[in-house]
Amino acid sequence: AQSVTQLGSHVSVSEGALVLLRCNYSSSVPPYLFWYVQYPNQGLQLLLKYTSAATLVKGINGFEAEFKKSETSFHLTKPSAHMSDAAEYFCALCNTGTASKLTFGTGTRLQVTL
Amino acid sequence: DTAVSQTPKYLVTQMGNDKSIKCEQNLGHDTMYWYKQDSKKFLKIMFSYNNKELIINETVPNRFSPKSPDKAHLNLHINSLELGDSAVYFCASSSFPDHALSGYTFGSGTRLTVV
Repeated sequence: AQSVTQLGSHVSVSEGALVLLRCNYSSSVPPYLFWYVQYPNQGLQLLLKYTSAATLVKGINGFEAEFKKSETSFHLTKPSAHMSDAAEYFCALCNTGTASKLTFGTGTRLQVTL
Repeated sequence: DTAVSQTPKYLVTQMGNDKSIKCEQNLGHDTMYWYKQDSKKFLKIMFSYNNKELIINETVPNRFSPKSPDKAHLNLHINSLELGDSAVYFCASSSFPDHALSGYTFGSGTRLTVV
């Protein structure tokens, strides 16, 4: 069975500091991986996705993630946090085929302080 | 134009009532989903449909009945609502067979509160 683990349910950084949100996955086949962001009382917005092309994936709003097969990780980073980055972040993995679905991690709430 | 639109955005109802949530996508996708987000923000798939055919049914109570009149629409009907049904319900869509390449696009959610 596939699964996603997000370490740290809450992460707090200062504005301008590096953002690092951790995601590890378990999959018996090469995975497709995603990061979504959810702002308060809003839906899920795709930040970036890994689909077996380049291992370093750049997304929107200055975020990027690196797929590391040896570490089964797909951590999300941003060099400099902005107040507007405060949100809930979800790592997800999908399987292929007709019965495709996204399996989500438990989410990490990012707080950005002055 | 909103890619995946859900109505209503908010729904407050009493226990025992029956309610429906509607979802429509204009992306030309052929696969649609319902996800439930609980009070701890955990997201779990409930159903998926591909071209009006039920593909995934993840041990959801029979009180929940999805209906897909065509590949652009997926509705969720809930009978005899219970307090535990209170959650945010998200509709999503993607395109077979390359779901990852097409991406999974989510609606803005329906916040259901059962009192």
